[in-house]
Amino acid sequence: RKEVEQDPGPFNVPEGATVAFNCTYSNSASQSFFWYRQDCRKEPKLLMSVYSSGNEDGRFTAQLNRASQYISLLIRDSKLSDSATYLCVVNMRGNEKLTFGTGTRLTIIP
Amino acid sequence: DTAVSQTPKYLVTQMGNDKSIKCEQNLGHDTMYWYKQDSKKFLKIMFSYNNKELIINETVPNRFSPKSPDKAHLNLHINSLELGDSAVYFCASSQALTGQETQYFGPGTRLLVL
Repeated sequence: RKEVEQDPGPFNVPEGATVAFNCTYSNSASQSFFWYRQDCRKEPKLLMSVYSSGNEDGRFTAQLNRASQYISLLIRDSKLSDSATYLCVVNMRGNEKLTFGTGTRLTIIP
Repeated sequence: DTAVSQTPKYLVTQMGNDKSIKCEQNLGHDTMYWYKQDSKKFLKIMFSYNNKELIINETVPNRFSPKSPDKAHLNLHINSLELGDSAVYFCASSQALTGQETQYFGPGTRLLVL
């Protein structure tokens, strides 16, 4: 089983719709969670960290479910500029490295 | 005022050659990384350095040799290039080596081995 698993998509969603991605992680010792965004032929950039109580940043909401070992990202009122690949990223307690999922590709359709 | 820069941006070379990729960060960070992103877009860490000291070496073939002359620079030298080395190589940096810090990535070096 992969350490971090994501549905690769692609998700093709009309502009203005709400879209949600899930990501599962295999190691229960994981302690830090992030969503990164990677535009086509560009570098990954941090979108948001994911906190235990869930957190929101504008149209983006991240949730963590430790019992089921998954994190989610919800995008409301999607914009054309949201088209990108969304990478789920996990760090294990006591481990300095980040483990990246393979990403979920999102395309917002006008 | 680019935060993390890499050179070259594109690298096309023949199998068996030796090549280097350079990375510099002007963020004052202590930690730098090399990642490889293959054709399936899977991003995997190769090395990390903290204050010029090698911390993570993820079972990368010893044809790959990172070098950190100072904490703002982390270069990657690759000997005897193979077809399977074709990928995008990203340099990144973070404030500290805790795994909880935001990592800032360079624009990537697209390596094609023919």
